[in-house]
Amino acid sequence: NAGVTQTPKFQVLKTGQSMTLQCAQDMNHNSMYWYRQDPGMGLRLIYYSASEGTTDKGEVPNGYNVSRLNKREFSLRLESAAPSQTSVYFCASSEGIYSSGRYEQYFGPGTRLTVT
Amino acid sequence: AQSVTQPDIHITVSEGASLELRCNYSYGATPYLFWYVQSPGQGLQLLLKYFSGDTLVQGIKGFEAEFKRSQSSFNLRKPSVHWSDAAEYFCAVAPSGGYNKLIFGAGTRLAVHP
Repeated sequence: NAGVTQTPKFQVLKTGQSMTLQCAQDMNHNSMYWYRQDPGMGLRLIYYSASEGTTDKGEVPNGYNVSRLNKREFSLRLESAAPSQTSVYFCASSEGIYSSGRYEQYFGPGTRLTVT
Repeated sequence: AQSVTQPDIHITVSEGASLELRCNYSYGATPYLFWYVQSPGQGLQLLLKYFSGDTLVQGIKGFEAEFKRSQSSFNLRKPSVHWSDAAEYFCAVAPSGGYNKLIFGAGTRLAVHP
């Protein structure tokens, strides 16, 4: 099992450009998440998908959109990139979401995005 | 609002020395508590978690953590640090009701001197 995979690993964008970050998991997990990691701030939840067909905003959703393409895949889109979106982006998945934090989240290796 | 505080941004220890990383949380009820480790250029890996029961929990790689309700703390410990433990460590909480949404602390970066 590959676990959680993310593409690309690195990306440089110019302000105003758009791009989609891809995430896939092969653990048959129901729930998936997108986080951003910034120095001194830990990880912050951007969007999550409790189950296939549903998505919800997290703590910092502005400037992002997501698509839960199927049970395996959860993509994050930046429609018009801004320098403030320079960050490391992590995708995660878990077996469930409704059991009050009991389900471990498994993380991908991250995508390092720079917006100039 | 729920929050997690890791007071130490950087810690340096000598190989073989003991380690304690601090974590305090702010939450109305007892949340579920986690410690994750992030090696350079890698994703996060779960070290250990506390849901209920024994307040001293054992994790992988020889780590343990103790939940102290009276202090709202969940400190991570290791009796003897190895050079390979150099990494960034994150404490996280999830509400004991509702969705499985983790709230992370800012992290503590551990350096290990030979």
